[in-house]
Amino acid sequence: AQTVTQSQPEMSVQEAETVTLSCTYDTSESDYYLFWYKQPPSRQMILVIRQEAYKQQNATENRFSVNFQKAAKSFSLKISDSQLGDAAMYFCAYRSVIQGAQKLVFGQGTRLTINP
Amino acid sequence: ETGVTQTPRHLVMGMTNKKSLKCEQHLGHNAMYWYKQSAKKPLELMFVYNFKEQTENNSVPSRFSPECPNSSHLFLHLHTLQPEDSALYLCASSQRSGGPQMEQYFGPGTRLTVT
Repeated sequence: AQTVTQSQPEMSVQEAETVTLSCTYDTSESDYYLFWYKQPPSRQMILVIRQEAYKQQNATENRFSVNFQKAAKSFSLKISDSQLGDAAMYFCAYRSVIQGAQKLVFGQGTRLTINP
Repeated sequence: ETGVTQTPRHLVMGMTNKKSLKCEQHLGHNAMYWYKQSAKKPLELMFVYNFKEQTENNSVPSRFSPECPNSSHLFLHLHTLQPEDSALYLCASSQRSGGPQMEQYFGPGTRLTVT
């Protein structure tokens, strides 16, 4: 079974600076999807960025980018130019590409605080 | 943020009560999910429905009973709950077909407290 581990329960960063959230996972599959989700306080969880394991190029979405190290099974999220609205719980998640697979396996989450 | 709605947003119930959580999606999706989010634990998938048919039950106790009358609505019927069932219950929806575009869209959740 796949597992996802986020070793940083809490992180904080000064506004406008850069922060990196860590995620490692364990799987025996060679192809899969990885995701970062953001859950602001009392608001809905939304997808921040996704990475397909067969793609070597790291995904980027505006100020959000990932460092995908397949051999190390590492998938970190970098947030550049942090903004107050980035404060949230961030969850790393894994999904298999097996036909019909729908289950998302989540990490424990990292609470990110932005200091003004 | 109105693509997936959940009601009620907050619920307090005693262990002998019966209550239901409701989820509705307005995205034209054909798959719906229930997740449980407890403090300091990863989100746990509870149930998956595809085209109104339950396709996954992640060893959930029978005191949780899901119902999916159509592809847009999903219910979670609760009875004889335990205090450890207190959690945030999240509903999500997606397209059934595979691929990275099969993104799950989440509702705001129902904060359940069992007393």
